[in-house]
Amino acid sequence: QQPVQSPQAVILREGEDAVINCSSSKALYSVHWYRQKHGEAPVFLMILLKGGEQKGHEKISASFNEKKQQSSLYLTASQLSYSGTYFCGGGTSYGKLTFGQGTILTVHP
Amino acid sequence: GAVVSQHPSWVICKSGTSVKIECRSLDFQATTMFWYRQFPKQSLMLMATSNEGSKATYEQGVEKDKFLINHASLTLSTLTVTSAHPEDSSFYICSARDSRGRNYGYTFGSGTRLTVV
Repeated sequence: QQPVQSPQAVILREGEDAVINCSSSKALYSVHWYRQKHGEAPVFLMILLKGGEQKGHEKISASFNEKKQQSSLYLTASQLSYSGTYFCGGGTSYGKLTFGQGTILTVHP
Repeated sequence: GAVVSQHPSWVICKSGTSVKIECRSLDFQATTMFWYRQFPKQSLMLMATSNEGSKATYEQGVEKDKFLINHASLTLSTLTVTSAHPEDSSFYICSARDSRGRNYGYTFGSGTRLTVV
């Protein structure tokens, strides 16, 4: 079953923050986050492997609440290059990855 | 880093013909690759899991006789869309687990845009 993402779309001005949420009705072995620009392949952002885990790279971070089967992606001080569609992916122990429906992020100058 | 090369980038074919899409892991071996299909403004839908040396595992609702997957070597998986029809027009993407380890997620090919006319 597909993870559910919210919101469906976000519009920001440069420098603003955003949070994208991902929840699953099935137990997740791992949570992946990817960003896809129009016409291109998804690009890996980060993976969370354990409940309670939090990770960050530069101004993008994520957390995984295993009890609630929820993950959130935090984008701080957004840049124009952050625009794109963000997908969370729920991973199984044998490697299968099922993506959420995506969140369209648009950053304006 | 892990690189997955996918060819062709785009293809236009006539209805009823077959199209083969290749997915290669360039600097690592991938015993498992995944094939996705993405319609405009929609999510990536997993079609099948390609396993080196064995039969692919197809997701529910995906016709295995229509979407033939072959994973004959540790670096190459192919998807053949047989007897393509306009409704098969889509963006097809392959992926493989980054061989550097679990913390690196999955690497995607650049995708193939298939248009059936």
